[in-house]
Amino acid sequence: EAGVAQSPRYKIIEKRQSVAFWCNPISGHATLYWYQQILGQGPKLLIQFQNNGVVDDSQLPKDRFSAERLKGVDSTLKIQPAKLEDSAVYLCASRAPRGFKGNTIYFGEGSWLTVV
Amino acid sequence: AQKITQTQPGMFVQEKEAVTLDCTYDTSDQSYGLFWYKQPSSGEMIFLIYQGSYDEQNATEGRYSLNFQKARKSANLVISASQLGDSAMYFCAMREDTGNQFYFGTGTSLTVIP
Repeated sequence: EAGVAQSPRYKIIEKRQSVAFWCNPISGHATLYWYQQILGQGPKLLIQFQNNGVVDDSQLPKDRFSAERLKGVDSTLKIQPAKLEDSAVYLCASRAPRGFKGNTIYFGEGSWLTVV
Repeated sequence: AQKITQTQPGMFVQEKEAVTLDCTYDTSDQSYGLFWYKQPSSGEMIFLIYQGSYDEQNATEGRYSLNFQKARKSANLVISASQLGDSAMYFCAMREDTGNQFYFGTGTSLTVIP
């Protein structure tokens, strides 16, 4: 079974530029998450989708971050304009169906963003 | 209040020895799940083990076991026979059945010494 796919793996941009990250969850996983992980810290939830609807985006900095999941499968996370403090790993995850290992979430390899 | 607390920022263990990584949690839910993830330097978060709040037996997955003490609200990860490849960050996480979020701790960095 294919895992959560993310791209690009690495991105370096200048502040005030824009960047977009793409995620393809595990087939059949209706719930998709985007997490931001700053070096040395645990993941912080940015947004959670259930199919193509937003469940929780309370910690998403909406003045610069946006995310969509138009067809309930793939998702994109965009940052515009980027700030230095956005340098982090952006992790996409999807959740197993209810009853399977406690609905555990599976992560992609992450997209490393460096803003200079 | 922190939902997940990991008090050990860094741990060292000799190769082939066992090591325990601590995790305490805070919830008022009766039904919840506890998870451990491993994050090597490559960045990917790898699911290791799951324990349900109603599970009476401690979960085990190969060399990983979860020491679940419900009354103390602790869910410690035990790694037996440590290997050099076990060197990584380890995160404890919790999912409450009433909500949708996964709460993560701040992680413990484990270094296995040859």
